[in-house]
Amino acid sequence: QVQLVQSGAEVKKPGASVTLSCKASGYTFTSWYIHWVRQAPGQGPEWMGVLNPTGGATTYSQNFQGRVTMTRDTSTSTVYMEMNSLKVDDTAVYYCVRVGASTGRFDPWGQGTLVTVSS
Amino acid sequence: QSALTQPASVSGSPGQSITISCTGTSNDIGIYNLVSWYQQCPGKAPKLIIYEGNTRPSGVSSRFSGSRSGYTASLTISGLQAEDEANYYCCSYAGSDTWIFGGGTKLTVL
Repeated sequence: QVQLVQSGAEVKKPGASVTLSCKASGYTFTSWYIHWVRQAPGQGPEWMGVLNPTGGATTYSQNFQGRVTMTRDTSTSTVYMEMNSLKVDDTAVYYCVRVGASTGRFDPWGQGTLVTVSS
Repeated sequence: QSALTQPASVSGSPGQSITISCTGTSNDIGIYNLVSWYQQCPGKAPKLIIYEGNTRPSGVSSRFSGSRSGYTASLTISGLQAEDEANYYCCSYAGSDTWIFGGGTKLTVL
């Protein structure tokens, strides 16, 4: 079955960087886009950006431009999301999600990775 | 870009119908029919229930339906059941390969 498995929880200090991974299985990796969405405690989801696994092209939300980098390794069907200059407000659950091009069908979602930023 | 606007909470009794609105702008819901809806239970990842305005993935109950008019999309749940109690989020395409979510609505089944 289609599955996205994310890396484990992280605890970081303000100013640090974090890299999260998302390993896809059960489908052709290059046929679907991977988006990253985060959700702060008690808040709605926030779209961060998208990566096209075929060529690696990315689009980022203006809210994260310059602070987030998404990459992929096609040999392992894994997508990575690096965020730098972490702030306390970046504490959230980060999800990777598979989305078909031009459909808006965000499905399935990874299990989520909790990133805690605290001094 | 600000989040799509949803009511913070709605409630209904079992068997009733409820509607959750999701208001955007001329840059998203107003011009793109790419609205999706998600159900999220506490501690879980969001689950897709409607996409492309009014299409249900296989396995999602026909009690869930979506619509769109002008800058507002709506999710209707008919025949409300206790298991429908959850948070619901809308999402829309916003052009230039970007997407935007709503702030969420907590549904309480009385």
